[in-house]
Amino acid sequence: DIQMTQSPSTLSASVGDRVTITCRASESINVWVAWFQQKPGKAPKLLIYQASYLQSGVPSRFSGSGSGTEFTLTISSLQPDDFATYYCQQYTHYWTFGQGTKVEI
Amino acid sequence: EVQLVESGGDLVKPGGSLRLSCAASGFTLRDASMTWVRQAPGKGLEWVGRIKSESDGGTTDFAAPVKGRFTISRDDSKNTLYLLMNSLQSEDTALYYCATAKWGTVLDSWGQGTLVTVSP
Repeated sequence: DIQMTQSPSTLSASVGDRVTITCRASESINVWVAWFQQKPGKAPKLLIYQASYLQSGVPSRFSGSGSGTEFTLTISSLQPDDFATYYCQQYTHYWTFGQGTKVEI
Repeated sequence: EVQLVESGGDLVKPGGSLRLSCAASGFTLRDASMTWVRQAPGKGLEWVGRIKSESDGGTTDFAAPVKGRFTISRDDSKNTLYLLMNSLQSEDTALYYCATAKWGTVLDSWGQGTLVTVSP
């Protein structure tokens, strides 16, 4: 099975900060990575797919990059609505999620 | 607009069975690849299973922890997806989400989830 390892597990940041979350795959997965945002009591929301494609309706401060085994999600200027947990996910062979990164104040 | 509404979650004893439903609107279920994803309390996301679109054969696949115990089916007349869970264990306690798999891969629309609790 393909494992996805995210870092950090928790990230303390302030409004306006540039935030980067990293995800590493246990084997090469080309660009078949998605990123999700989840708030307490809510379903995950797709932000990025195919490593760098912004889902419709998602603010442009979110961006994704990477290929092979290393991927990043960047929030260029953190907004109050962005405090949440973020998950990476591979979809080259079924689906596997990272363990999540909680972005907190 | 795509909408997914899960239901059927309940408290069930170990070894019991339960059927979850996912009512779809805004699209035709048989034309979509659909997945089930679960989230144990306070934990991360775990893929459970999927059913391919009818045009892709309508076959199902499952994650190792549930293979042989869970099945997925569709009722096209009701545009509803089902997850039948047998031999439930405490480790199956979770919030269960259904999600559409755009292009068969990208989980782009999710329901709000339904809670399954397995406890004596």
